[in-house]
Parts: sequence; structure tokens; C-alpha cells
Amino acid sequence: AQSVTQLDSQVPVFEEAPVELRCNYSSSVSVYLFWYVQYPNQGLQLLLKYLSGSTLVKGINGFEAEFNKSQTSFHLRKPSVHISDTAEYFCAGMNSGGYQKVTFGTGTKLQVIP
Amino acid sequence: NAGVMQNPRHLVRRRGQEARLRCSPMKGHSHVYWYRQLPEEGLKFMVYLQKENIIDESGMPKERFSAEFPKEGPSILRIQQVVRGDSAAYFCASSLGSVQETQYFGPGTRLLVL
Repeated sequence: AQSVTQLDSQVPVFEEAPVELRCNYSSSVSVYLFWYVQYPNQGLQLLLKYLSGSTLVKGINGFEAEFNKSQTSFHLRKPSVHISDTAEYFCAGMNSGGYQKVTFGTGTKLQVIP
Repeated sequence: NAGVMQNPRHLVRRRGQEARLRCSPMKGHSHVYWYRQLPEEGLKFMVYLQKENIIDESGMPKERFSAEFPKEGPSILRIQQVVRGDSAAYFCASSLGSVQETQYFGPGTRLLVL
């Protein structure tokens, strides 16, 4: 992906409410897309990835994302968030075919409010 | 079944000193990537290495930074004559292959330059 955009730098949400974290990408070729989560002072953990096939991808911790080619989006959703979901979430993309660099978005901080 | 290991986790250096960051990839992984995360920013790609080879160093600053991944031992990111602007979290990731393969991240090294 030439670029990955996360428009929301911070998203506050009440516990047990649904959440959507937005991600848009730009690429002239097919892409692979990823969502990572980063807890404070830790590394990144892969939540889910889209390579091909079904556009609805399910990941760990109850998260899912939908690849939408026409809207060039890969939004992350969870129907009911928990306090432990408080973290920073990074969307990332990579052009398919051969070696390609992974491009990361600037991150969205999810703050779950009790 | 250890993941990606990085050490040290925290490193403090004075301006002008050298910083050496180490990364041991997951067992069986021969592809290593280094990223830098500046405060309040996303991850920026620095360099991609395979054993004894630098594949892509397009994200590395032209001066003072170097990386290696020897046949034996961990990958090393070396920063000579550090400056305050080098203060950041440096993450290493490894993958089994370079195409379609998930990158697994280490916990990072947080470098502080005084």
C-alpha cells in the first residue's frame, strides 16, 4: 500500500458499547491488510489480517474487519468492548506480490470508559 | 516457543555515544525488519534483512545508522553518535518468509538520549 490512513487519533467508548476504528488505504495494486494492537510499553500483536478470499475477517479478542475494495477501507469493529481493549490500534498494508514493505497508519488510541 | 526477543528493553545514552540494539527472531524465522516509533507517531520502516544480507534499507537514515543480521547470532541495529532526535522506540519484527507472511513483533527497545 502506498499509504494507510487512520483518521481518528483517539476514540473514547463506554464499556460494552460497540466500536469501529477506521482505516483507509491507497494502492494501485492488490493489497494485504493488517490490524495490530499495542498495549502500553509493549510490542505490536497481530489482531487479524486480510490476504484474499472472504472480505470479512475475524481476529482475536472478538475483533473483526471488513475489506471494502470500492471504498478502499478496512475498518475494525467489535460489538462490545471491554476495559482490557484499551490500547492503541494500528492498521497496516502491504502491496501483494513479491517482497513489499509494510506501511503503518499513525494509530488510533481506543479508550474504554467504565 | 519464544517470540521475538529484543534487548535491552530500555537504553539510555548521552549525546555522541553509540547505541546497539539486539533482536533475536522467532525460531525458524530468517527475515528481520526494524521499525522506529517516534512519540505520538506510527511505526516507520527502517530496514529489512535476511541472514547476512540487507534486502531493503530505504528507511534507514543515511548517516550514523547501520544494521546487520549475521549468520550466527541476533540482528543488530547500531546507531553511532546518537542525538536527542534518536530517542524513540525501536521495534524488531521477524517473519518466516517475505511474501504474505505475518510479521511478529518484539517488545521493543526504548532509547532515550540525554
